[in-house]
This record gives sequence, C-alpha cells and structure tokens, in this order.
Amino acid sequence: QQQVKQSPQSLIVQKGGISIINCAYENTAFDYFPWYQQFPGKGPALLIAIRPDVSEKKEGRFTISFNKSAKQFSLHIMDSQPGDSATYFCAASINAGNMLTFGGGTRLMVKP
Amino acid sequence: ETGVTQSPTHLIKTRGQQVTLRCSSQSGHNTVSWYQQALGQGPQFIFQYYREEENGRGNFPPRFSGLQFPNYSSELNVNALELDDSALYLCASSLEGMGSEQYFGPGTRLTVT
Repeated sequence: QQQVKQSPQSLIVQKGGISIINCAYENTAFDYFPWYQQFPGKGPALLIAIRPDVSEKKEGRFTISFNKSAKQFSLHIMDSQPGDSATYFCAASINAGNMLTFGGGTRLMVKP
Repeated sequence: ETGVTQSPTHLIKTRGQQVTLRCSSQSGHNTVSWYQQALGQGPQFIFQYYREEENGRGNFPPRFSGLQFPNYSSELNVNALELDDSALYLCASSLEGMGSEQYFGPGTRLTVT
C-alpha cells in the first residue's frame, strides 16, 4: 500500500486556538483526500474532503489546504473547542469510493 | 436515513476459532468496504464489495473473506484467528462503485485470547 504520513502524533491546543495537522502522500494517482474525526469507541466520521483541482476548501471551522506539487495537505481547525478533542485521520484514495489509505492519526486535545 | 450499523459491538474469541462480523450499509448504498484498525493506528483496508462481487483487496491473507448480500449488507469472516487479529473492525458504505464518500459504522471490537 502507498503510504500517507501524518504529523504530529499528538497535539495540545488552548481553547480558541488553531489546530494544524499535516499529511504527506507518495502516490501521485491519489485524487481524493478526506479527513476523518474519531472519538474513543466510535467509528471514523467524515469531516471534510478535497480533490486536487482546488488548493483550499473550507467548511465552518474546518479548512483543508492542498499543495499538489509538494504532495502535502493539511487540516486547520479554527477556534478550537474542547469538543474537538478526538483523533483525526487523513486519508487518500484513487476515486472517493475506492480503498482509503490512512495516515497514522493525530490525537488532539483542546484545553479549556 | 439509516446510517451504517455493525454487529456485534464487541466479542471475545480464542486463537484458532472463526468469527463472522456483520454490517448493514447506509440506505441506498451498494458498496461496502471493510477495514481493520489496530489500537493506536489508522484503519487498514481489507477488501471491498460492490454488487455482491469483491472489488479490491488489501494486504490481508485468504483467511479473511467476505460476502455481500442482495440487500447490500455484508459479512466479514476470519478463520484460524490469531492474537494479532485483535482490533476494531470497521465497515464503510458508499454509493455506487466509485466516486462517492465512504461512511463508517461504529465498528466491532474483536479480542482474540
């Protein structure tokens, strides 16, 4: 499987701050890049996704930035809240419905 | 709209036994993918079923097998369980063979002793 590398492994942010999680991929055939949020004991929930024809996508407090030439993409969580404390996974696939290759995850803790 | 459901929630098996996990896809979704998530790691793709046919497989041995039924529900079967099979097994459904987002169920926690 082609790798997707995610950093940092863990992140602590103060309430109201910006959380930034980065991912890098190898396979240039990937054309779909989703982010999932997972709470303990639950399945991953789709947060936001981007395709390589745009460099940025924003949905509420969540923004994906995409750099095709660098093969990197990142998730920004603005105005981070304690309820955002969870594990976040980036992923990539060739077409949205196909096999997802996941990063290793980032455990985010937002301190009140 | 009903989301993805999985059963059982958790179970404990002994090494060498066989297990069957079940998944009901989201209403209208005809594609089901199975993932294994070891503790502290990202999910790893096992295989996908589209219209009752296997439509892609990850790096898992043949003792991992699956089925999809006409109502698009699916089963994951694991034979000759090993200790390393202990994990959260996730099912994800999507609409059509490709091109739509995958939505995950809550998972089945399998413990092999």
